Amino acid sequence: NAGVTQTPKFQVLKTGQSMTLQCAQDMNHEYMSWYRQDPGMGLRLIHYSVGAGITDQGEVPNGYNVSRSTTEDFPLRLLSAAPSQTSVYFCASSYWSGTGPSYEQYFGPGTRLTVT
Amino acid sequence: GNSVTQMEGPVTLSEEAFLTINCTYTATGYPSLFWYVQYPGEGLQLLLKATKADDKGSNKGFEATYRKETTSFHLEKGSVQVSDSAVYFCALRRNQFYFGTGTSLTVIP
Repeated sequence: NAGVTQTPKFQVLKTGQSMTLQCAQDMNHEYMSWYRQDPGMGLRLIHYSVGAGITDQGEVPNGYNVSRSTTEDFPLRLLSAAPSQTSVYFCASSYWSGTGPSYEQYFGPGTRLTVT
Repeated sequence: GNSVTQMEGPVTLSEEAFLTINCTYTATGYPSLFWYVQYPGEGLQLLLKATKADDKGSNKGFEATYRKETTSFHLEKGSVQVSDSAVYFCALRRNQFYFGTGTSLTVIP
């Protein structure tokens, strides 16, 4: 049981490049989400999904794209990287209660992204 | 709107000292409240939760009480250990989670 896995652990991009952060979970969770963690700002929700084929925007979606073709995978795409996207990115998953994510969210170990 | 405010860090304590990390919230309706902990190099893990007013969440010696009248959910531990060194996040849940900025705790022997 691997839980939530994220790849890569570290990444350096140049401004304007694109890339995909991978996230996978093996707990059959309906709800998956992406957060970014910045100093002094805590975790902010980028995008989330409540099931395969269903995605929605969070608090800070601009510059990011997601899709959910399977229950297990929820990749985050940076379309044209900017220095403001330098951050630590966390993927999380949980069951869906019907009105929101269940109480315990499971987080991956994070991806540290630097955009120069 | 929904938001969480928690005390600024970093906090440095000696082993066996008493810990308090303050957290207040603003929310529509009646949210559930949480403390999550992040150990170095890892993702966040649920530490404890409280789902209604006056509930006390507890785990691993940590406690927090849901105070509706003061909109607070302060984290306490009577005697911290070096292994408690981590970043602690207060959070609330409505249709999604809202996290505070995190408080870094370092416990020195």
